[in-house]
Amino acid sequence: KAGVTQTPRYLIKTRGQQVTLSCSPISGHRSVSWYQQTPGQGLQFLFEYFSETQRNKGNFPGRFSGRQFSNSRSEMNVSTLELGDSALYLCASSPGTEGTEAFFGQGTRLTVV
Amino acid sequence: QKEVEQNSGPLSVPEGAIASLNCTYSDRGSQSFFWYRQYSGKSPELIMFIYSNGDKEDGRFTAQLNKASQYVSLLIRDSQPSDSATYLCAVERGSSNTGKLIFGQGTTLQVKP
Repeated sequence: KAGVTQTPRYLIKTRGQQVTLSCSPISGHRSVSWYQQTPGQGLQFLFEYFSETQRNKGNFPGRFSGRQFSNSRSEMNVSTLELGDSALYLCASSPGTEGTEAFFGQGTRLTVV
Repeated sequence: QKEVEQNSGPLSVPEGAIASLNCTYSDRGSQSFFWYRQYSGKSPELIMFIYSNGDKEDGRFTAQLNKASQYVSLLIRDSQPSDSATYLCAVERGSSNTGKLIFGQGTTLQVKP
């Protein structure tokens, strides 16, 4: 069974640009969550999608957005990038209906310069 | 007060010893609790989850939950150098199936040969 796939693995962007990250969950999983990990703040919840609907949202500005497609693949978009957005962005996949045992992808390392 | 608190460590134990990792949480309504292991430069890996008070064993790992004391712990028996990693405690916010995990800052475990 294939795991969670995130693309790209690494990104370097300039302040003010926007970026889109992609996540393909484990086959059969309908919930995709996104997290930001930084050395100072640790792992922080961004938002969760289930069956194409945002079910939960964390405390991040509106520059952070996401969506989920009918095949459960999800994208996360960050607009008007700031230096502080440099982080490891992790996607987690879970069934969504029988508990939240979440399995993480390898992450996308975003560097904003 | 942080929602999920862990001692950052490092916790140093000799090879073969029992490592005890602790976590407290503030939301009494939390129902689901998870332990993740994260090696340096890698993404978190789910190693245990527990929903009911008491102990849950899986190989060398035992998770313990005490909802009255709002306390979760992870015991690693016969610790190996390969267990050296950061261990993250995660609590599902609110009722189950929300897809929203709140993570502690993690405890760094060092197992010395």
